[in-house]
Amino acid sequence: KQEVTQIPAALSVPEGENLVLNCSFTDSAIYNLQWFRQDPGKGLTSLLLIQSSQREQTSGRLNASLDKSSGRSTLYIAASQPGDSATYLCAVSTGGGNKLTFGTGTQLKVEL
Amino acid sequence: DTGVSQDPRHKITKRGQNVTFRCDPISEHNRLYWYRQTLGQGPEFLTYFQNEAQLEKSRLLSDRFSAERPKGSFSTLEIQRTEQGDSAMYLCASSLRGGYGEKNIQYFGAGTRLSVL
Repeated sequence: KQEVTQIPAALSVPEGENLVLNCSFTDSAIYNLQWFRQDPGKGLTSLLLIQSSQREQTSGRLNASLDKSSGRSTLYIAASQPGDSATYLCAVSTGGGNKLTFGTGTQLKVEL
Repeated sequence: DTGVSQDPRHKITKRGQNVTFRCDPISEHNRLYWYRQTLGQGPEFLTYFQNEAQLEKSRLLSDRFSAERPKGSFSTLEIQRTEQGDSAMYLCASSLRGGYGEKNIQYFGAGTRLSVL
């Protein structure tokens, strides 16, 4: 059974700091890995998708890496802003149905 | 296109009542997924459809739960005889297709928050 773990569970940083969120998964047989953002009481917004054959993806201030063999991914956020405050969820896609298995998330707070 | 929409946004019900939620996916998307999220946890997969066919159901989906996608467009999720443990956010997602490639990105709706009293 696929299990996804995210560390840390919560993180508070001052504005402007660069930060790294970690995600690990137990079964390396994945199709892809997605990073999502969730604001309180809201749905999920897809940030980045990395295919199993890729090593990294970039979008603006976000960079996600994937090391499939070791079962790890990182999300790097450059020059953090208060608007980045949210819960960040990592999810891996497995099986023919492409269903997602999620971690429990990292709650990020960027302070002024 | 306005993305995935879910209705209602909030539902409060008494234990033992039946509830039904609706999800309208992005119009050209073939795949539709239902997930459940409890407080402080990540979403958990419930079921998914390829067009109108329900192809997989999680063990989390007890006999009290039923999902349909009758014409391969919108979907409904019904919970019969609700229990307090059913209180959660129910999320719907859709994707163009499954498998490998950018077209399998799942786009989520805002969710339906269910509270069972």
